[in-house]
Amino acid sequence: GQNIDQPTEMTATEGAIVQINCTYQTSGFNGLFWYQQHAGEAPTFLSYNVLDGLEEKGRFSSFLSRSKGYSYLLLKELQMKDSASYLCAVMDSNYQLIWGAGTKLIIKP
Amino acid sequence: IAGITQAPTSQILAAGRRMTLRCTQDMRHNAMYWYRQDLGLGLRLIHYSNTAGTTGKGEVPDGYSVSRANTDDFPLTLASAVPSQTSVYFCASSVGHTGDNEQFFGPGTRLTVL
Repeated sequence: GQNIDQPTEMTATEGAIVQINCTYQTSGFNGLFWYQQHAGEAPTFLSYNVLDGLEEKGRFSSFLSRSKGYSYLLLKELQMKDSASYLCAVMDSNYQLIWGAGTKLIIKP
Repeated sequence: IAGITQAPTSQILAAGRRMTLRCTQDMRHNAMYWYRQDLGLGLRLIHYSNTAGTTGKGEVPDGYSVSRANTDDFPLTLASAVPSQTSVYFCASSVGHTGDNEQFFGPGTRLTVL
């Protein structure tokens, strides 16, 4: 079966750095997405990785290792507004997104 | 303002009733999707449409149907609602359905079936 694993919840301090991991087992691979979802709102796109390596976009970076079935989202200089759930999703061989359950990130002052 | 809209925002429905959730996008995106989101689970794809006039089944299609008569609209119908269909439903769209086409999500419909 297809499976996306990510931690259920993480806590970090304002101004710090946090890394949210995602491991996957899917039927085929056509890219990995990270989305942010604030409570009660819709998911919004953060990043896309299809090749191995690090993609940096401002305070957010995303890393992919296809051989290990592994990705992480790195958030720097954490702000209170970063408190949200972070969703990892993999596009499978049918070009359908398989979603993890999300990691709820709690930022403390 | 360009985007994707859903209606209603929320709904309480008696079991056995028929319900259509509406979704409209004005971005001229080719692909559209319906997901349900339940606590502790990832988003699950119900149905999708890669282009107007075509639809396909996702991971959890049973009890739901869709149509895509034009580019902009993608309604989701529950023919006879059951309590297990209580969920938050998100409609999404993307320019294309392959590769790096990010999906844009509507605000969601919170459905409760009693």
